This record gives sequence, structure tokens and C-alpha cells, in this order.
Amino acid sequence: EPEVTQTPSHQVTQMGQEVILRCVPISNHLYFYWYRQILGQKVEFLVSFYNNEISEKSEIFDDQFSVERPDGSNFTLKIRSTKLEDSAMYFCASAYSSGNTIYFGEGSWLTVV
Amino acid sequence: DQQVKQNSPSLSVQEGRISILNCDYTNSMFDYFLWYKKYPAEGPTFLISISSIKDKNEDGRFTVFLNKSAKHLSLHIVPSQPGDSAVYFCAASSNAGGTSYGKLTFGQGTILTVHP
Repeated sequence: EPEVTQTPSHQVTQMGQEVILRCVPISNHLYFYWYRQILGQKVEFLVSFYNNEISEKSEIFDDQFSVERPDGSNFTLKIRSTKLEDSAMYFCASAYSSGNTIYFGEGSWLTVV
Repeated sequence: DQQVKQNSPSLSVQEGRISILNCDYTNSMFDYFLWYKKYPAEGPTFLISISSIKDKNEDGRFTVFLNKSAKHLSLHIVPSQPGDSAVYFCAASSNAGGTSYGKLTFGQGTILTVHP
């Protein structure tokens, strides 16, 4: 069964450093998402991406965050200057269309120290 | 953000019996609901969904019921199996007001334990 894959599975970074989390969505999907889950809290929506642009973003997704689909297969989330509170599991997700099921990757666990 | 609530943090059920997981929502604009299952250190896995035009959707052992007037949905698993032990999240979305179905609002999750 096709799946969303994410790398790295776990990254430890120093506060203030830039981090790039990578995702390969399911190949025929057109809608891409990032979500995150801080330990002990709910899964939260960050951003949706369609047709090479952000279609919606949450209040969490401030200027420190950016997304890109550089080569037609990868979908990346960049955090420009990490803060301690960015420590979380980041999930990439994709869907064939807006009303279709969203499939999640296994997550990238980011620890900011 | 308490728009989607799962009031039971945990549920313990005997193998073979029914598991009933509950979810309440407050946003009347939500019109699409999903259940996901999650194991530790893994991503959410889609289980079943329901549109607000229906009140029931069934897929194998899993059935989701939607009561729009009560803003309540439930997931029934029959019969429950030890492999069903995981965290179950309900999620809701809407495409009203400029949002998209891809913006899911999740509940806190319910830990289901199925004992052999």
C-alpha cells in the first residue's frame, strides 16, 4: 500500500538552528499537509499546500516556518530558527483531493535543546 | 481549542466484546468526521470517516455513528481484538468559511486497551 514517508525519524538540534524536515507524499496525491503534536497535546494543523502554494495555514505557522515542494516529489518543512517550544512530532500528510482521506506519515520527532 | 473533545482518556475492553469510543464537537460548521488509530512513535492511521449527510458508516468491524443534533459521534469496534489496542483520535473538518477539508481538528485521543 502506498505510504507517506518522512525523514529524519528523529532530529536533535540546538536552539536557533535551522531544521528541514522532509516528506515524500503518496505519488498521485495533490494536497499536502504538515501537522505537529507536542508531547501530551493534540495533533495540530500547521499548513496545507496545493498547486505549489500554501492554501491555508494556522496561527502556529508563523514567519519561522516555510514549506516547499522543490522537485515534484519531496515536500519539506523548514523551521528557520528553532525554539525550545518547537520540540514536537511533526507529521506530513497527503490526500488525492480536498475531500478525500488524508494519509499521514510516521512522523519526525524534533527535539530542540 | 476545545472544538473536538474526547472525554474518555482511556477505555479497557475484553477481547471479543464491543469497544465504543465517543467524540463530541462544538463547531456546527464541521461536516466531515474521521477516526484515526495511532501507535506510539507512528503516524495516525486512517480508519473510517463519515460525512454529515449520513448518520452511519460501516467498514468491517468498524462502524461510525453521527448524531448531528447532539454534535456527537462514536466509533464501534466489534468484535474487539488485542491488536486494536492503540490511541484513537476523532477528527473533524469543514470547507466552510474558506477552510478546507484538509484542515483537521483533532480530539485529545482515547487509549483503548483490549485484554485477551
